[in-house]
Amino acid sequence: EPEVTQTPSHQVTQMGQEVILRCVPISNHLYFYWYRQILGQKVEFLVSFYNNEISEKSEIFDDQFSVERPDGSNFTLKIRSTKLEDSAMYFCASSERDFTGNTIYFGEGSWLTVV
Amino acid sequence: AQTVTQSQPEMSVQEAETVTLSCTYDTSENNYYLFWYKQPPSRQMILVIRQEAYKQQNATENRFSVNFQKAAKSFSLKISDSQLGDTAMYFCAFTEASYQGGKLIFGQGTELSVKP
Repeated sequence: EPEVTQTPSHQVTQMGQEVILRCVPISNHLYFYWYRQILGQKVEFLVSFYNNEISEKSEIFDDQFSVERPDGSNFTLKIRSTKLEDSAMYFCASSERDFTGNTIYFGEGSWLTVV
Repeated sequence: AQTVTQSQPEMSVQEAETVTLSCTYDTSENNYYLFWYKQPPSRQMILVIRQEAYKQQNATENRFSVNFQKAAKSFSLKISDSQLGDTAMYFCAFTEASYQGGKLIFGQGTELSVKP
């Protein structure tokens, strides 16, 4: 069964460093998303992306965050200058068409630890 | 603003028995989608079941079924014949049908332990 894959599975970085989390969505999917889950808390929406632009972003997704689809397969989340509070599991997800009536499939997550 | 509430932080059930996880939500929308996701210790988010609000019939997927009460804004998950592999965190999630941005709103989660 096709799946969303994410790398790295775990990354430790120093505060202030830039981090890029990578995702390969399901191949025929057109809509891409990032969510995050701080340990012990709810899963929170960060951003959705379609047709090479952001469709929607949450208040969490400030200027420190950016997303990009640099080629036909990868979808990346960049955090420019990491803060301790950015430590979380980051989930990439994708859906085949617009979300109405369609299911979002999640990757296994990238666990980011900022020290 | 839409909210999703799961009032049971933890639950346990004996293997082969049935357990029901509760979820309530708040919205002024008439058409929307509801989901249950499972997050095992591996932390991957796995879709368990989906319900469209315009459908009165409760969704069923093998041992998993929902009790969708639209007027009460309740969406509970029933797991029949519980198996050890069902041990996981379960999240209820909501999205508006008219919204195409993919913003799922999640509840706090219920940690389910299936005991042998």
